[in-house]
Amino acid sequence: DQQVKQNSPSLSVQEGRISILNCDYTNSMFDYFLWYKKYPAEGPTFLISISSIKDKNEDGRFTVFLNKSAKHLSLHIVPSQPGDSAVYFCAASEGDDKIIFGKGTRLHILP
Amino acid sequence: EPEVTQTPSHQVTQMGQEVILRCVPISNHLYFYWYRQILGQKVEFLVSFYNNEISEKSEIFDDQFSVERPDGSNFTLKIRSTKLEDSAMYFCASSGGGGFDNSPLHFGNGTRLTVT
Repeated sequence: DQQVKQNSPSLSVQEGRISILNCDYTNSMFDYFLWYKKYPAEGPTFLISISSIKDKNEDGRFTVFLNKSAKHLSLHIVPSQPGDSAVYFCAASEGDDKIIFGKGTRLHILP
Repeated sequence: EPEVTQTPSHQVTQMGQEVILRCVPISNHLYFYWYRQILGQKVEFLVSFYNNEISEKSEIFDDQFSVERPDGSNFTLKIRSTKLEDSAMYFCASSGGGGFDNSPLHFGNGTRLTVT
């Protein structure tokens, strides 16, 4: 039962261009969404989040967009930098004690 | 910046043996979690712990699993009798509470458990 889906296992983007990572969810009770970034041999690191009452949240080069009617969110990184190469996890919470992760998308930033 | 630390980084054990995975959460955090990631799969919630008791657990967290905060700083995950399918990366996390917008989860670097 995949409540949080990241359908692209990997994505390659040229350095300096925009990276767009997508995420879909099925549980309409989710009210909080997060993106985590993970480097090899490290734990996930919190990147950015958005509450279900908003449709956009921006933090520097990172912007998360939420489309509740489509149950879809996306993470935009612009401009993409080599250090952005990592696995990105979309995650969601019902406001309870746990967050549900997607399977992740591996982002490769090409020189 | 404060970190969540986990030991050991890699644990190899034989099927049927007990293992204890150790974590030191960030010192002023109040909520503690264990997640796991089987190779090639998603990060899965196991259990959350607050005020010295389990607040929520997943279907994965059966009677073979237990958690403890023995001394106010460590947070441990015990697997009583390991199975091959318990092989995974286990992540400890902590948060300050007040909702994930105020205090997102901070993860440790994980313990890779290999059951042979």
